[in-house]
Amino acid sequence: LAKTTQPISMDSYEGQEVNITCSHNNIATNDYITWYQQFPSQGPRFIIQGYKTKVTNEVASLFIPADRKSSTLSLPRVSLSDTAVYYCLVGDPNFGNEKLTFGTGTRLTIIP
Amino acid sequence: DTGVSQDPRHKITKRGQNVTFRCDPISEHNRLYWYRQTLGQGPEFLTYFQNEAQLEKSRLLSDRFSAERPKGSFSTLEIQRTEQGDSAMYLCASSLPRTWGTGQEGQETQYFGPGTRLLVL
Repeated sequence: LAKTTQPISMDSYEGQEVNITCSHNNIATNDYITWYQQFPSQGPRFIIQGYKTKVTNEVASLFIPADRKSSTLSLPRVSLSDTAVYYCLVGDPNFGNEKLTFGTGTRLTIIP
Repeated sequence: DTGVSQDPRHKITKRGQNVTFRCDPISEHNRLYWYRQTLGQGPEFLTYFQNEAQLEKSRLLSDRFSAERPKGSFSTLEIQRTEQGDSAMYLCASSLPRTWGTGQEGQETQYFGPGTRLLVL
C-alpha cells in the first residue's frame, strides 16, 4: 500500500476554510484516496473518497491533481466540532480483504 | 442505534490476566475487522472475518491474541496473559462488501465502533 504523508497538526479559526494536504508519491494506478475523521474516544468515520479530479459531498471536498501524487481535503467554514484527527489513506479496492492502513493523521484544532 | 457497538468501553486489568472484548457489527454487514490504536498513532489492522471465517491475521496478533466470530454475527477478541504493552484502544469495524459490475467504485466504507480502551497495570 502507498505510504502517505500529512502534517502532524493544524490550527484554524472558526468559519474559515481548512485545507489538509496529503502526499502519496507512490500511489498505484488502482489506488483510491480516502479520508477518515476521528474524534477523541471514538472510532474513525468515513468522510470522502476519490480517484481523480474533484469530489464533493455534504461535509467536504477532495481535490486530486492529475498526477495523483497528492490530495487535499477541504473543509468549508469549519466549526469547533470539526476539531479531530484526519487520516488520509490510499488503497486498492480489490474486492477482497480491504483492511485500512492508517498513518498518524493530522490533528486539526479549531480555535474560537 | 444501529451502528457498531463494543463492550466494554473501558477495561483495567492487571498484568497476566485474561481479557475478552465483544463487538456487535451492523446487522447486515458480513465483514468484521479488529484494529488496535495506541496513543498518537492511527489504528493498526489486527484481523479480519468474512462471515465466520477468519481470513487474515496481522503479525501484530501474537499467540496470546485470539479472535472468533462463531455465527458470523458478533465477534470476540481475547487477550491472554496481558502485558503492559497491550494497553491500547481496540477498535472493531464492519462493512458490506461491494458487488462486481454494479458500478460501486473505490474502497469499501468501514464503520467503526467506539472502541474498548484497555489499560494493563
